[in-house]
Amino acid sequence: AQSVTQPDIHITVSEGASLELRCNYSYGATPYLFWYVQSPGQGLQLLLKYFSGDTLVQGIKGFEAEFKRSQSSFNLRKPSVHWSDAAEYFCAVGLNQAGTALIFGKGTTLSVSS
Amino acid sequence: DVKVTQSSRYLVKRTGEKVFLECVQDMDHENMFWYRQDPGLGLRLIYFSYDVKMKEKGDIPEGYSVSREKKERFSLILESASTNQTSMYLCASSDRGRKQYFGPGTRLTVT
Repeated sequence: AQSVTQPDIHITVSEGASLELRCNYSYGATPYLFWYVQSPGQGLQLLLKYFSGDTLVQGIKGFEAEFKRSQSSFNLRKPSVHWSDAAEYFCAVGLNQAGTALIFGKGTTLSVSS
Repeated sequence: DVKVTQSSRYLVKRTGEKVFLECVQDMDHENMFWYRQDPGLGLRLIYFSYDVKMKEKGDIPEGYSVSREKKERFSLILESASTNQTSMYLCASSDRGRKQYFGPGTRLTVT
């Protein structure tokens, strides 16, 4: 069965430092992969997605993610974190072949220190 | 802008009551979804629908049912609410690019 693991429950990063949030998935075929962000009191917003092609995906707000099939990973990165990036981040994999229904990881909460 | 609206932001119900959570989207999306979000558990898919009158079970369908009589509306039904169904419920719809648009959520408390 498909599953998504986000190993880090909570990460604290200094403002201006680089960020990497880990995501590992389990899926039999080529996965559809997503990263969503949920700011406090806000709804979920799509940061980026991977379906096929270039394994390095650019998203909004300066985020990028790299798909590594050999490691079953889809880690999210940002070179320089801003205080406004403090939020909860969810990795997700498409449940069905159409990639429409999603299985989400349990989330990683990012805190940004000044 | 795509809009997904949910009928209530906050709801308090008693154990055993029948509860209806309504979700409406205005972008003619075929796919609609119901998730629940609990601290430390992330979002878990309850049911989804890829067409009118069609539904598929997600990860945790037990204790829930859904109805999709019109394309824009997807209802989640708790036949007999229980305290373990106290949660944040999120509705979403998706476009052909598989991007999901989420509603603001309904925080349901069952006492």
